[in-house]
Amino acid sequence: GQNIDQPTEMTATEGAIVQINCTYQTSGFNGLFWYQQHAGEAPTFLSYNVLDGLEEKGRFSSFLSRSKGYSYLLLKELQMKDSASYLCAVRAPGGGATNKLIFGTGTLLAVQP
Amino acid sequence: DTEVTQTPKHLVMGMTNKKSLKCEQHMGHRAMYWYKQKAKKPPELMFVYSYEKLSINESVPSRFSPECPNSSLLNLHLHALQPEDSALYLCASSQTAYEQYFGPGTRLTVT
Repeated sequence: GQNIDQPTEMTATEGAIVQINCTYQTSGFNGLFWYQQHAGEAPTFLSYNVLDGLEEKGRFSSFLSRSKGYSYLLLKELQMKDSASYLCAVRAPGGGATNKLIFGTGTLLAVQP
Repeated sequence: DTEVTQTPKHLVMGMTNKKSLKCEQHMGHRAMYWYKQKAKKPPELMFVYSYEKLSINESVPSRFSPECPNSSLLNLHLHALQPEDSALYLCASSQTAYEQYFGPGTRLTVT
């Protein structure tokens, strides 16, 4: 079966750091994506991890541990515009350039002044 | 141009209507996708086209019919939909395994 879990909601303060966790149990694994989605808008790509470790991209970092079935997205120096849903998605194996993504339930982050 | 465009932005249709959603990308991507997203839920994959051929159909009801006329265009034909089909329909495209670009979506309401 496919099971990807994230906290439903989180609240953080402007300027702070927040970590959004994602745990997965899937029949096969070929990488993990993080997307940001503002209400009523399309998801936008944030990061992709396929090997264990930390990937850093500006204020956003993503970590993966394949043995633990665990990833997190770290957002630093939070800004009000970071208020959005954050979606963790596992890429199913096979398919070459096509990505069959299985999305988690998403975490709604509210950044407060 | 790193943009996926979708038309229309909003669509209201009756259960007996036939309508089509359109998606276009000019990034040279060879894989294109349709997703359905209900409110406060994650996107659910419906169809994947690879090199203009249907490669994945996630057991979608036949009232949804995808079409890929060429490598830049993806259509979703709708017929005899139900109110529960009301959702945001997202198109996406990818060239590599590392990214998938989403369009802004079509907000569909079935009355």
